[in-house]
Amino acid sequence: DAEITQSPRHKITETGRQVTLACHQTWNHNNMFWYRQDLGHGLRLIHYSYGVQDTNKGEVSDGYSVSRSNTEDLPLTLESAASSQTSVYFCASSEYVRGTEAFFGQGTRLTVV
Amino acid sequence: EDQVTQSPEALRLQEGESSSLNCSYTVSGLRGLFWYRQDPGKGPEFLFTLYSAGEEKEKERLKATLTKKESFLHITAPKPEDSATYLCAVQRGGGADGLTFGKGTHLIIQP
Repeated sequence: DAEITQSPRHKITETGRQVTLACHQTWNHNNMFWYRQDLGHGLRLIHYSYGVQDTNKGEVSDGYSVSRSNTEDLPLTLESAASSQTSVYFCASSEYVRGTEAFFGQGTRLTVV
Repeated sequence: EDQVTQSPEALRLQEGESSSLNCSYTVSGLRGLFWYRQDPGKGPEFLFTLYSAGEEKEKERLKATLTKKESFLHITAPKPEDSATYLCAVQRGGGADGLTFGKGTHLIIQP
């Protein structure tokens, strides 16, 4: 069965370190998204991609970057981790750009100390 | 700015006690309204997409409806396994194509 997987599931890192969260999907979807989920805020869009070599900023993109070198993967990099980036991160993919459901990964819980 | 407000924040029901969750939204040119279910420690699981006012969709004990300003998720005769957080999200026709989510309704069904 097709799926979307994130790794690691849990990570603790120190302030100022660079961190990369992995996202891999086997749906063969062109569109991929990264969200963060925090108490009191719900899910917020960080970055998204419509295909290989395409990346776009979302609502809360400061301090994050993504790259898309193939269809299956969209890694999320925190350039210099800050305590405000402690959160649960979700990757998602969808078949079409608009009006179709997105499928989510299981999430990565990141703690910045 | 797109806005999604869900109410109540939390709801506790007895098994078999039907109720409704509300999702009020403000969006420029609604492309779709989505309902997701999220269990603790897991990613959101897709339930429904609604595209236009008057549309309804059903799945087991759940029924979602849509008007021009809000959506309802009706839960009929719920069971304990329906306990979860229910998320509502909207997608607009222009600009960024990610979803704008509400904060969710935490639903507990007591046996």
